Amino acid sequence: EVQLVESGGDLVQAGGSLRLSCEASGFTFNNYWMHWVRQAPGMGLVWVSHINSDGTSTSYADSVKGRFTISRDNARNTLYLQMNSLRAEDTAVYYCAREDVDWSAAMMTTFYNGMDVWGQGTTVTVSS
Amino acid sequence: YELTQPPSASVSPGQTASITCSGDKLGDKYVCWYQQKPGQSPVLVIYQDRKRPSGIPERFSGSNSGNTATLTISGTQAMDEADYYCQAWDSSTVVFGGGTKLTVL
Repeated sequence: EVQLVESGGDLVQAGGSLRLSCEASGFTFNNYWMHWVRQAPGMGLVWVSHINSDGTSTSYADSVKGRFTISRDNARNTLYLQMNSLRAEDTAVYYCAREDVDWSAAMMTTFYNGMDVWGQGTTVTVSS
Repeated sequence: YELTQPPSASVSPGQTASITCSGDKLGDKYVCWYQQKPGQSPVLVIYQDRKRPSGIPERFSGSNSGNTATLTISGTQAMDEADYYCQAWDSSTVVFGGGTKLTVL
């Protein structure tokens, strides 16, 4: 069964740190780009970060740049999100999701195929 | 880059629901749509503007042109009541729309 399982969410004080993990199973992990997406209580989805399949390229939302670091261990089939200098506004359910991305050299175009598998989410609460 | 969706939409069972997503030159980008029901993780229902993942019913379709992408649900069922989010890539980052709550009444 294709599955993503997040862990590491907790209650932490503002200014503190937390590391989230996302363990993948049932598919070839190193073939996929991975994302972290968060959702504050009662609010919409907000993209946090992405990492490409071999971990050589990452990007971040402006709201977390310089504080959060995404990484992956393809040998362990695991995605991570190191979260430092946490703020109350970081309080949310954090989801990991995979995306199949294809590069066409002939067309010089990247084809994004959407986040087709999501984990169940892990809850981060930052107290001020 | 911003994607704008109406906060809410309503449709009668069996009718067609349309949810829009607006952004500058959005037609030049690929758009995905996600369905999220209360207490559940999002589900991809449309990718690359109009393609359906396996297992997604044919009543879900998508289009994208100019500054607007549209998710259309034909023959809407009660089970389609959910929040719907559009999403696109822009300059190596990802953007979600604010979401549209679809009510089937």
